[in-house]
Amino acid sequence: AQSVSQHNHHVILSEAASLELGCNYSYGGTVNLFWYVQYPGQHLQLLLKYFSGDPLVKGIKGFEAEFIKSKFSFNLRKPSVQWSDTAEYFCAVGPGGGATNKLIFGTGTLLAVQP
Amino acid sequence: KAGVTQTPRYLIKTRGQQVTLSCSPISGHRSVSWYQQTPGQGLQFLFEYFSETQRNKGNFPGRFSGRQFSNSRSEMNVSTLELGDSALYLCASSYGPVAENTGELFFGEGSRLTVL
Repeated sequence: AQSVSQHNHHVILSEAASLELGCNYSYGGTVNLFWYVQYPGQHLQLLLKYFSGDPLVKGIKGFEAEFIKSKFSFNLRKPSVQWSDTAEYFCAVGPGGGATNKLIFGTGTLLAVQP
Repeated sequence: KAGVTQTPRYLIKTRGQQVTLSCSPISGHRSVSWYQQTPGQGLQFLFEYFSETQRNKGNFPGRFSGRQFSNSRSEMNVSTLELGDSALYLCASSYGPVAENTGELFFGEGSRLTVL
């Protein structure tokens, strides 16, 4: 079955701490991978995406993610978090090269950054 | 540039009633997708429309239906509402399917449905 697992449901960090959010997926064939973020009171927005090529992708606000095909993982990282990174983060997977916007989302990780 | 607009933002219905939610995509976007978001299940795909055609449908009962108009605006309908239909319904638009664009879905703020 197609699925996305985000193992950290709730993460609390202090400012300047490093962040790594785990994402593992189960999906047949090639994949497109995404991280979306929802800041308090705002709508979901794209943080970064992987389609092909360099497995280390960089997104907005200093975030990056690494696609490890052998581990079916796409973990999100940031070397030093800020209070403004407090948000809910969603990992998503879709068919590689596919003609559909049907994405499978994880259940989200709520990140709280303490000043 | 206006974002994705969903109406109504909040609504309360009772079991057995039906509801229609509306979504206006970003100007120029021809693809509209709908997702249901609940605390327990997260975001689950409902449907996807492109140029008035349903391209994909998620694993929801037939009570959930949708359509897209020639101006790309979309509606979804839920008939015979059940308590479990209480959720945030999100609409997302893009120029076209993922393969034809940057891969970014632009989400609206959602319509929060409460079924009593």
